[in-house]
Amino acid sequence: AQSVTQPDIHITVSEGASLELRCNYSYGATPYLFWYVQSPGQGLQLLLKYFSGDTLVQGIKGFEAEFKRSQSSFNLRKPSVHWSDAAEYFCAVGANTDKLIFGTGTRLQVFP
Amino acid sequence: GAVVSQHPSWVICKSGTSVKIECRSLDFQATTMFWYRQFPKQSLMLMATSNEGSKATYEQGVEKDKFLINHASLTLSTLTVTSAHPEDSSFYICSASPRQGASGGEQYFGPGTRLTVT
Repeated sequence: AQSVTQPDIHITVSEGASLELRCNYSYGATPYLFWYVQSPGQGLQLLLKYFSGDTLVQGIKGFEAEFKRSQSSFNLRKPSVHWSDAAEYFCAVGANTDKLIFGTGTRLQVFP
Repeated sequence: GAVVSQHPSWVICKSGTSVKIECRSLDFQATTMFWYRQFPKQSLMLMATSNEGSKATYEQGVEKDKFLINHASLTLSTLTVTSAHPEDSSFYICSASPRQGASGGEQYFGPGTRLTVT
């Protein structure tokens, strides 16, 4: 079955620290992979996406993610977190012929 | 580019009434539109997929008679929650794609509509 797992429900980091949010997927074919960010009461903003090619993808706001096929993972990273990064982060998997499947989300809290 | 708007951003209604939520693609033609529901502190659950001019395809467990979806043009889809009850209170998010079909590869999300049924 197709699924996305975000093992960390809640992560707390200090401002300036590095960040890695985990995402594992189960998908029958080569998937399209996405990371979205959602601020409280807001819609989703696309941070980055992987369709093919270079497995290290750069996104907005200084985020990057690496697709590792052997590990079925697409972890999101940022070298130095800012207080404004506090939000909910969703990993999603899909394809042009299939719907998007979202993970359960990781809530990021940033302490000054 | 690829902006999607929703209206209203929040709405409060009384139990038993109906509420309509609009989703518009502002700068592209949305061949396919999607409606999601999000409960507090939970993920997005796809409710239905609609293609312009045809009936929506509902996900398993979603009552099509309760959640009426109309995709009358390439820039507008509406979700009507009929005879709303408190358990329908939720955050409803639409997305749009210029592609036909499930479009898991390219969707643009609206800002969401908070529905509270009293």
